[in-house]
Amino acid sequence: GESVGLHLPTLSVQEGDNSIINCAYSNSASDYFIWYKQESGKGPQFIIDIRSNMDKRQGQRVTVLLNKTVKHLSLQIAATQPGDSAVYFCAENERGSYIPTFGRGTSLIVHP
Amino acid sequence: GAVVSQHPSRVICKSGTSVKIECRSLDFQATTMFWYRQFPKQSLMLMATSNEGSKATYEQGVEKDKFLINHASLTLSTLTVTSAHPEDSSFYICSAEMRTEAFFGQGTRLTVV
Repeated sequence: GESVGLHLPTLSVQEGDNSIINCAYSNSASDYFIWYKQESGKGPQFIIDIRSNMDKRQGQRVTVLLNKTVKHLSLQIAATQPGDSAVYFCAENERGSYIPTFGRGTSLIVHP
Repeated sequence: GAVVSQHPSRVICKSGTSVKIECRSLDFQATTMFWYRQFPKQSLMLMATSNEGSKATYEQGVEKDKFLINHASLTLSTLTVTSAHPEDSSFYICSAEMRTEAFFGQGTRLTVV
């Protein structure tokens, strides 16, 4: 069936660098996308979301970009800090649904 | 944001016993809650949708007699893993929906020995 997937399972960066985590989705009926952060042994934590009528949304140190043409989603983290080390999941909601479908996840490792 | 509390955070049980996991929405009412299972280094897999006052809706491949879900009030859903086996060892996570946004509990690490 249709699924949300990630290109990079592990991303290692130096503290202070910018990080980019990518996600590909295949369900053309999805109209709402969310990025979650999951620290070891904890539940997912909402980071930022974007609706399909937008291309870009910015939060505090984070930016989500949506390219509907190629069904691609990315999360940019500015000035990455050791506390950003976690697994990041993108998730999608199909139009009319509030149940997110999760992608595979990318482990972000930030080196001091 | 809304708070979802899960209890216990960790549990170890013997094979053949049953384990109950609670999921509470602390500051809002949730008519619908969701239960996920997560294996190490993998994504969250939706197990079932818990509906207050009615039967849960299970995803394909999830045994409803194995994973009993009860949503008796607007703030509490429980997942009972019955006759647990080592292969049931996993990280179980609940979430509650409020105004189309999902809020997640902190998860329960179940280890069956």
